Amino acid sequence: DGGITQSPKYLFRKEGQNVTLSCEQNLNHDAMYWYRQDPGQGLRLIYYSQIVNDFQKGDIAEGYSVSREKKESFPLTVTSAQKNPTAFYLCASSMPRQGSNQPQHFGDGTRLSIL
Amino acid sequence: AQSVAQPEDQVNVAEGNPLTVKCTYSVSGNPYLFWYVQYPNRGLQFLLKYITGDNLVKGSYGFEAEFNKSQTSFHLKKPSALVSDSALYFCAVRDIAAGGYNKLIFGAGTRLAVHP
Repeated sequence: DGGITQSPKYLFRKEGQNVTLSCEQNLNHDAMYWYRQDPGQGLRLIYYSQIVNDFQKGDIAEGYSVSREKKESFPLTVTSAQKNPTAFYLCASSMPRQGSNQPQHFGDGTRLSIL
Repeated sequence: AQSVAQPEDQVNVAEGNPLTVKCTYSVSGNPYLFWYVQYPNRGLQFLLKYITGDNLVKGSYGFEAEFNKSQTSFHLKKPSALVSDSALYFCAVRDIAAGGYNKLIFGAGTRLAVHP
């Protein structure tokens, strides 16, 4: 079955450490997204990518970095510059970029906590 | 800028009763609206969308939503609630980012609790 796989499901970060969250999709979607979910705040967009080797900052990109070397993969690195990284991180993908009205498909998330 | 509001943090309903989860929006141009559901420790699942056409949109699991342009609302409804409908529900509107690429703006979410 096609879908989006996020790993790991739970992740712990030590002070000063960078950690990378994995997101892989086999839906052949061009666009991929990273969101952060905090209680009572809904989802906030961190980064998005509409095509390989291109990505754009979302609303809360500071302290995060991404890469898009392959269509299927869009890893997110939470750097030590992100002072409040504890949250639930969701990856999503969708069909062709411009003008699309297709829904986004979501993975099952990674919960990141500070040790 | 595009935005959505979900005015209720939580909605409580008895099993078998009709349910409504409210959403209002603010957009420039024609709205593209979506409803998603999230179960604990899971990602979001798409329920339904409004792009154009009939104001009553039918979606997954017996849910439907009514688009009301004059009231700028897109409320989610179900005629008879199930305990298994208990979850977190998000309304979203499509926004056009720089370069013409689309992205979603989400509401804060409404927790639905269906009691036996």
